[in-house]
Amino acid sequence: DTAVSQTPKYLVTQMGNDKSIKCEQNLGHDTMYWYKQDSKKFLKIMFSYNNKELIINETVPNRFSPKSPDKAHLNLHINSLELGDSAVYFCASSLALAGEETQYFGPGTRLLVL
Amino acid sequence: QKEVEQDPGPLSVPEGAIVSLNCTYSNSAFQYFMWYRQYSRKGPELLMYTYSSGNKEDGRFTAQVDKSSKYISLFIRDSQPSDSATYLCAMGVGDYKLSFGAGTTVTVRA
Repeated sequence: DTAVSQTPKYLVTQMGNDKSIKCEQNLGHDTMYWYKQDSKKFLKIMFSYNNKELIINETVPNRFSPKSPDKAHLNLHINSLELGDSAVYFCASSLALAGEETQYFGPGTRLLVL
Repeated sequence: QKEVEQDPGPLSVPEGAIVSLNCTYSNSAFQYFMWYRQYSRKGPELLMYTYSSGNKEDGRFTAQVDKSSKYISLFIRDSQPSDSATYLCAMGVGDYKLSFGAGTTVTVRA
């Protein structure tokens, strides 16, 4: 049974399009995250939600809008996609907000913008 | 300068060798230190977690933290082909945001 799942796994799209990535966790965790991993494997946090509330919003363009309809879901909508948005996007969750809590990662969504 | 520096490798070793991975950091406030392992086309998974200076051992894995030098290490003894992965160090300071290193890609040759 998958703990953190993401859809789609692969996304190929044209510049300027709008796309969404969905994330669901069945671990009963309170906190969820979105990370971006670039081609050099560098993993950088984008957003963090705790109990559906936005906690962390790093310097991410406002073309990226997360939405958490409930504690188990955190979706990411991206408007006006750009070439530089090509990356792997990981969703993660942790039991609580505290930084030392283990984060459980999803399998990633590979986004390629042409 | 990045907050956490990690040599991206790649590192290739024969089976049975000791693998040594390192990260340095600039933020002396970091309190807890983690190592994540990421297999190809998978998400990272927590491997080791330490909260203070010193060594922590778990099977073939040893994590070492030297806060005075702002330096952490991960050692893998008797390395196996199944250890081939990217290893990411991560650290934080009492809030809810981890800072990750760039990851070191390791290949263990059979």
